[in-house]
Amino acid sequence: EVQLLESGGKLVQSGGSLRLSCEASGFVFRNFGMSWVRQAPGKGLEWVAVFYTGGSGIYYADSVRGRFTMSRDDSKNTVHLQMNSLRAEDTAVYFCARKGDFDTSGFFGDYWGQGTRVTVSS
Amino acid sequence: SYVLTQPPSVSLAPGETATITCGGDNIRTKSVHWYQQRPGQAPVLVMYYDSDRPSGIPERFSGFNSGNTATLTISRVEAGDEADYYCQVWDGKSDHVVFGGGTTLTVL
Repeated sequence: EVQLLESGGKLVQSGGSLRLSCEASGFVFRNFGMSWVRQAPGKGLEWVAVFYTGGSGIYYADSVRGRFTMSRDDSKNTVHLQMNSLRAEDTAVYFCARKGDFDTSGFFGDYWGQGTRVTVSS
Repeated sequence: SYVLTQPPSVSLAPGETATITCGGDNIRTKSVHWYQQRPGQAPVLVMYYDSDRPSGIPERFSGFNSGNTATLTISRVEAGDEADYYCQVWDGKSDHVVFGGGTTLTVL
């Protein structure tokens, strides 16, 4: 059974940093791209970043580029999201999602975690 | 940047057919994916590559993509279908994942 478990979310002050993690199980992690998607309170889904396999690249939303860094550790079946210079508008539930196919471009999420909540106080 | 437009809400009675639209410039050239999100829960993929249903998704769910509009159709709507629905594409020009604003489906 595919499972994704996010952790690391908490209350942090504006300008601070936070590192989120997403631990995967139930599939061959190194074969799949992964993504982070967030949802601000009462708002829709907003894509944050995607990390492809095989060195095919990492891409970021304009709203986080230069502040957030996505990484993966295939030996630990984990992806991370390092978030620096946090702003009030980064307050959201952060979901990790598995890319639904093996292509090294494009994205759709076939499995999602339950999310971890990040609150940035101003 | 590429923009996807969805109606904010759709309301209908049980047993009716729901059609949720997703508008985008020449969207027919892109692969459209759809998610269902119930309150307090993670999104669930209900349609991918325009019209492919993941295992476990009822046949009542179907998708189509043509011209400037993609559609998710839910036949014989049930109370359990009440949720927010989001369309999503990959914009190759910007290397960005793009979500629509979401449509709230209410079953009266």
